[in-house]
Amino acid sequence: AQTVTQSQPEMSVQEAETVTLSCTYDTSESDYYLFWYKQPPSRQMILVIRQEAYKQQNATENRFSVNFQKAAKSFSLKISDSQLGDAAMYFCAYRSTFKSSGDKLTFGTGTRLAVRP
Amino acid sequence: EAQVTQNPRYLITVTGKKLTVTCSQNMNHEYMSWYRQDPGLGLRQIYYSMNVEVTDKGDVPEGYKVSRKEKRNFPLILESPSPNQTSLYFCASSPGPARQGYTFGSGTRLTVV
Repeated sequence: AQTVTQSQPEMSVQEAETVTLSCTYDTSESDYYLFWYKQPPSRQMILVIRQEAYKQQNATENRFSVNFQKAAKSFSLKISDSQLGDAAMYFCAYRSTFKSSGDKLTFGTGTRLAVRP
Repeated sequence: EAQVTQNPRYLITVTGKKLTVTCSQNMNHEYMSWYRQDPGLGLRQIYYSMNVEVTDKGDVPEGYKVSRKEKRNFPLILESPSPNQTSLYFCASSPGPARQGYTFGSGTRLTVV
């Protein structure tokens, strides 16, 4: 079974600065997808960015980018030019591509990000 | 607007009183799932469905039931709720392939007293 670990329960960043949230995972599969979800106080789950394991190029979405290290099974999220609206809980998640594995997102325990004005 | 609609958003109930949380999606998605979120544990899958009339257990299915009689609806049933089922519940749907991720509903905060 796959596991996802987020070792930073809480992080803090100054507005306009850059912050990196860590995520590691464990799997024996070679093909899978990784996601970062944002959960603001409204509790809505919002997809921030996705990465396909077979793609070596790191995904980017505006101020959000990832550092995907497949061999190390690491998938960190970098937020540049942090804004007050970035304050939220961030979840890293894994999804298998194999139908025989069923279908689910395996989540980490989350990192709560505070943004200081 | 493409969305997953869950109802109710908040629910307080008593131990043993059967309840249903409804979930509906308007995106013609094949896959649907239920998750519960608890502090320090992240989100854990309760049940999922990859097709109409096909459902399967996730990681924490005890005490829950689901059905998928039509593509758009995937209700979560608690036949005899207990306090340990107090949690934040999310319904989610996906078109199918893993790369497309899930669209989540707004969540249901359930308290069982």
